[in-house]
Amino acid sequence: KQEVTQIPAALSVPEGENLVLNCSFTDSAIYNLQWFRQDPGKGLTSLLLIQSSQREQTSGRLNASLDKSSGRSTLYIAASQPGDSATYLCAAKNSGSRLTFGEGTQLTVNP
Amino acid sequence: EAGVTQSPTHLIKTRGQQATLRCSPISGHTSVYWYQQALGLGLQFLLWYDEGEERNRGNFPPRFSGRQFPNYSSELNVNALELEDSALYLCASSFGPILITNYGYTFGSGTRLTVV
Repeated sequence: KQEVTQIPAALSVPEGENLVLNCSFTDSAIYNLQWFRQDPGKGLTSLLLIQSSQREQTSGRLNASLDKSSGRSTLYIAASQPGDSATYLCAAKNSGSRLTFGEGTQLTVNP
Repeated sequence: EAGVTQSPTHLIKTRGQQATLRCSPISGHTSVYWYQQALGLGLQFLLWYDEGEERNRGNFPPRFSGRQFPNYSSELNVNALELEDSALYLCASSFGPILITNYGYTFGSGTRLTVV
């Protein structure tokens, strides 16, 4: 059974700082890994999708990496802004088409 | 392109009643997934439908059920509501199982169910 863990659970940084969010998974036989953002009481917004054959994906100030062999993914956010404040979730997809989510990292970027 | 739409946005029911939540997937997506997110807890997988069939089910009691219609939209029904069913219910859609390895999920904005 896949288990996904995210560290840290919460993070508070000043505006402009570069930061890294960590995600680890126990079953390396994943098809892909997806990073989402969730604002309070809202749905999930997809940020980046990394296929199992890829090492990283980039979108604007976001960069996600994947190391299947070690069961790890990281989300790098450059030059953080107050608007980046949200909960960030990673989710691993194994066979059976269901995603297994981590508990999330609650990010606060202070002006 | 319209995203995943869920209705209603909010729903208030009393204990013992039934709730029906609806989801319309992105055009071209055949799979619909339901997740429960209780306050302060993570996302828990409820159900997966593809091509009108239930493909997988999470660890929830039978009073959580649903269906998928020919147009791929879906309903989630929760019978005999209990206070602990209060949560944000999220629906996601994707391409079918064969293509999903190359594509991700798209989520709706959710239905906030409150049981009083």
